[in-house]
Amino acid sequence: AQSVTQPDIHITVSEGASLELRCNYSYGATPYLFWYVQSPGQGLQLLLKYFSGDTLVQGIKGFEAEFKRSQSSFNLRKPSVHWSDAAEYFCAVGTNAGNNRKLIWGLGTSLGVNP
Amino acid sequence: ETGVTQSPTHLIKTRGQQVTLRCSSQSGHNTVSWYQQALGQGPQFIFQYYREEENGRGNFPPRFSGLQFPNYSSELNVNALELDDSALYLCASSLDSGPYNEQFFGPGTRLTVL
Repeated sequence: AQSVTQPDIHITVSEGASLELRCNYSYGATPYLFWYVQSPGQGLQLLLKYFSGDTLVQGIKGFEAEFKRSQSSFNLRKPSVHWSDAAEYFCAVGTNAGNNRKLIWGLGTSLGVNP
Repeated sequence: ETGVTQSPTHLIKTRGQQVTLRCSSQSGHNTVSWYQQALGQGPQFIFQYYREEENGRGNFPPRFSGLQFPNYSSELNVNALELDDSALYLCASSLDSGPYNEQFFGPGTRLTVL
């Protein structure tokens, strides 16, 4: 069965430090992979997505993610975190099984940023 | 360009009641997906509507039903509310139904069942 695992429930980093949020997926076919961010009181916003091609993808707000098929991973990175990055981050995989097209989501990683 | 809107913002119901949540999709989008997000959890897929037809359903009972209208706005109906239905309900619209499409989310409706 398809699944998404985000091993870290909560991470706290200092402002200016680098960040890596982990995501592992289980999906038999070529995955469509997404990272979304959810800030308090706001809807989910797409940070970046991967379908094919270059395995390092760039997104908004200075985020990037690398697809590693051998590790079934799609980790999100940012070289220097800003206080405004404090939010909930979700990894999701898009499935295309028959007519059951949907996004399967991880449980999320809550990011705290220390000044 | 108007984004995805949802109404109401908050709702309080009692167990056994029925509720209707509404979603207006982004202009030009023909697909709407509904998700339930319990506190501290990731969104769970309820169902998707594409051009007024249900186009996939998650593991939710039949008392969760929906509609999509010719203007592609959508409703989520929940009958016989249970305490566990308390959650944030998210609506997302996309250009098409394929899994590669970016989904644009509304701010959600917070439902509390007492």
